[in-house]
Amino acid sequence: RKEVEQDPGPFNVPEGATVAFNCTYSNSASQSFFWYRQDCRKEPKLLMSVYSSGNEDGRFTAQLNRASQYISLLIRDSKLSDSATYLCVVNKPDKLIFGTGTRLQVFP
Amino acid sequence: GAVVSQHPSRVICKSGTSVKIECRSLDFQATTMFWYRQFPKQSLMLMATSNEGSKATYEQGVEKDKFLINHASLTLSTLTVTSAHPEDSSFYICSARELAGGYEQYFGPGTRLTVT
Repeated sequence: RKEVEQDPGPFNVPEGATVAFNCTYSNSASQSFFWYRQDCRKEPKLLMSVYSSGNEDGRFTAQLNRASQYISLLIRDSKLSDSATYLCVVNKPDKLIFGTGTRLQVFP
Repeated sequence: GAVVSQHPSRVICKSGTSVKIECRSLDFQATTMFWYRQFPKQSLMLMATSNEGSKATYEQGVEKDKFLINHASLTLSTLTVTSAHPEDSSFYICSARELAGGYEQYFGPGTRLTVT
């Protein structure tokens, strides 16, 4: 079983749609969680950290369920520029473990 | 803030030669830097963790004699791919963690290595 599992997608959604990505992790000792975004042939960029109480940054909302070892990312009002691969990332404990990513394609 | 540079961005070399890649944290100090490799349509795979002033810690299956890492200062780490072969062709990305930060890492723009 992979340490961080994500649905690879692709998710093809129209502009303005709401889309949700899920992720599960296997290490119950993990304490820090992140969503990164990676564009094709580019480096990953930190999108947001994920906190236990859930957190929001503009159109992006992240949720963490420690009991289920489950992380989610919700994107509202999708833009064309949101098209990218979204990486679920978990610490273990002093390094980061990356999921394989979920590809999002937003179309006009 | 939290800008990481990487040089070169792209390199083509002949089989058997060595290539050095530099990773710099430009506006913060990083006691720890990380080197990753990413093959097409695959996730990032951690190769090694580099700590300033000490030996790097390599992940299982990564040859330390082939991938030489030096972390001489709080802002610079280098990765040297020695005796490169075509199967070493990949996207190499470094990241850095702030001295007083959390676990989040900031990534350099990556180096695309092609060995012919």
